[in-house]
Amino acid sequence: AQTVTQSQPEMSVQEAETVTLSCTYDTSENNYYLFWYKQPPSRQMILVIRQEAYKQQNATENRFSVNFQKAAKSFSLKISDSQLGDTAMYFCAFMGSGSNTGKLIFGQGTTLQVKP
Amino acid sequence: DSGVTQTPKHLITATGQRVTLRCSPRSGDLSVYWYQQSLDQGLQFLIHYYNGEERAKGNILERFSAQQFPDLHSELNLSSLELGDSALYFCASSVAPSVRSGSYEQYFGPGTRLTVT
Repeated sequence: AQTVTQSQPEMSVQEAETVTLSCTYDTSENNYYLFWYKQPPSRQMILVIRQEAYKQQNATENRFSVNFQKAAKSFSLKISDSQLGDTAMYFCAFMGSGSNTGKLIFGQGTTLQVKP
Repeated sequence: DSGVTQTPKHLITATGQRVTLRCSPRSGDLSVYWYQQSLDQGLQFLIHYYNGEERAKGNILERFSAQQFPDLHSELNLSSLELGDSALYFCASSVAPSVRSGSYEQYFGPGTRLTVT
């Protein structure tokens, strides 16, 4: 069974600095999809970025980028120029391609606080 | 706003009762997923429907059931409620049922917070 692990329960960063959130996963599939979701205090789940495992190029969305290391099964999220609005819980999620369902498997989450 | 709607936003009920949570997916989305977020279990997949048919079940209790109607809205029914069922229940929708067949990104509704007293 696939598992997702986020080993950092809490992190903090100063406004305008850069922070990296870690995620590792375990799977026997060769093709799969990885996501980072943001959950601010409003509790809404917001898709931040996605990565297809067959793509070697790391995904980037504005200030958010990932470091995808397939062999190491690692998928970290880098937030550049952190803003107060980035304060949230961040979830790493895995979606396999070997079945007829797109269910997401989530990590435990990392609470990020951006300090002014 | 993701375009996914969930009602009600909050629900407070007593142990042993039954409740129904409702979800309307984004326009054009045929897949609906239900997830449970609790302090001890984290975010867990419950069940997936695609165009009215059940596609996958996760760690869903037998006391819980779901369905997707012809208009594509979905309902999650929780019965014989226990204190441990208190959680935030999310619905998410996507166009395709899996990564094999098109746009698979899931967009989440605002959730229903269930409190069992």
